Amino acid sequence: DVKVTQSSRYLVKRTGEKVFLECVQDMDHENMFWYRQDPGLGLRLIYFSYDVKMKEKGDIPEGYSVSREKKERFSLILESASTNQTSMYLCASSSITGTGVYGYTFGSGTRLTVV
Amino acid sequence: RKEVEQDPGPFNVPEGATVAFNCTYSNSASQSFFWYRQDCRKEPKLLMSVYSSGNEDGRFTAQLNRASQYISLLIRDSKLSDSATYLCVVTHSNYQLIWGAGTKLIIKP
Repeated sequence: DVKVTQSSRYLVKRTGEKVFLECVQDMDHENMFWYRQDPGLGLRLIYFSYDVKMKEKGDIPEGYSVSREKKERFSLILESASTNQTSMYLCASSSITGTGVYGYTFGSGTRLTVV
Repeated sequence: RKEVEQDPGPFNVPEGATVAFNCTYSNSASQSFFWYRQDCRKEPKLLMSVYSSGNEDGRFTAQLNRASQYISLLIRDSKLSDSATYLCVVTHSNYQLIWGAGTKLIIKP
């Protein structure tokens, strides 16, 4: 069974901390994505990557950075966590087929609370 | 104005009823359309694609109206297990998916 695995389900961090969210996929997918999901706003794209060491800004990259050193791993970094980054973070991956949605698989999400 | 808009609901529907909800999109260049389902505190999962001619998958029917720029999802003979949030997704390219905020559906016994 194909999987996207996020390292933590729930995370509580203090304001100003550096936070790492890890995502690993075992499907050999080229594309990987980080979203955050907030009530009433839906999923918003933070960053995505279409190849190793490649990254592209999404709609809301401010306050975040990413790293993709290996094909299967895509990390989201909050350089200095703030309370407005409290959210559900979802990682996804997809292969380059058709519109890119097919095979678009999500991890189970990390609910981050910044206090 | 959001690029993809959905009525947030909740839609409270008795078991066995038929329910339908729409999703409007603003970009006429949108290429592909999908419905996802998201259970509480879970990740979204693909429910079905939406084709120009309309398509069915069991009790679910999806339709696209390009002229009016909306897609719809109809659920017949609703089950308790259909309770979820339904997300509308529109694509412009292989990478970019634009998500609606979702419509919450509650099926009551």
